[in-house]
Amino acid sequence: ELKVEQNPLFLSMQEGKNYTIYCNYSTTSDRLYWYRQDPGKSLESLFVLLSNGAVKQEGRLMASLDTKARLSTLHITAAVHDLSATYFCAVEETSGSRLTFGEGTQLTVNP
Amino acid sequence: DAGVIQSPRHEVTEMGQEVTLRCKPISGHDYLFWYRQTMMRGLELLIYFNNNVPIDDSGMPEDRFSAKMPNASFSTLKIQPSEPRDSAVYFCASSLVGTGGNIQYFGAGTRLSVL
Repeated sequence: ELKVEQNPLFLSMQEGKNYTIYCNYSTTSDRLYWYRQDPGKSLESLFVLLSNGAVKQEGRLMASLDTKARLSTLHITAAVHDLSATYFCAVEETSGSRLTFGEGTQLTVNP
Repeated sequence: DAGVIQSPRHEVTEMGQEVTLRCKPISGHDYLFWYRQTMMRGLELLIYFNNNVPIDDSGMPEDRFSAKMPNASFSTLKIQPSEPRDSAVYFCASSLVGTGGNIQYFGAGTRLSVL
């Protein structure tokens, strides 16, 4: 059974600081997705990583994938309050099209 | 496209009543997923369909839950009878699997409260 673990689960950071969220998974896969969820809202796709070494950037967020280490990172640069949300990583099992989601990282950016 | 459309947005019902949640996927998508989200259990996949055919329903908690997809533009998730522990946000998502991956697009969700 595929397991996806994120850490930290809760992150409180100051505006302007940098931080990284980690996503580890337990079986072979080269397809990983990052989503954002605002409180009381739905999930919104952020990044799609489809190969080893893939790197995607959007604004202050950058995601990368290391399939050999079974690890993806979501790096936050110079955080701003608008980035406060819960971030999920999800891994697509090679055998099918279901996604297995991590527990989510609740990020709070304080002024 | 209007995105994935779910109805109702909120549902309050009493224990023992039947609840039906509805979903209209994005036109042209070939996969449809039903999820449940709670604070305690996080985001759980209940069932998913490919081209209207159920592929994996191993996440359906028990026989009280059933899902159908009679055509490419409509799916329902039914709970009968409902129980307080079914209270959660239920999301429907759809995707079109291709070279660009399997990005799932989520609906706004149905917040279910069973009293």
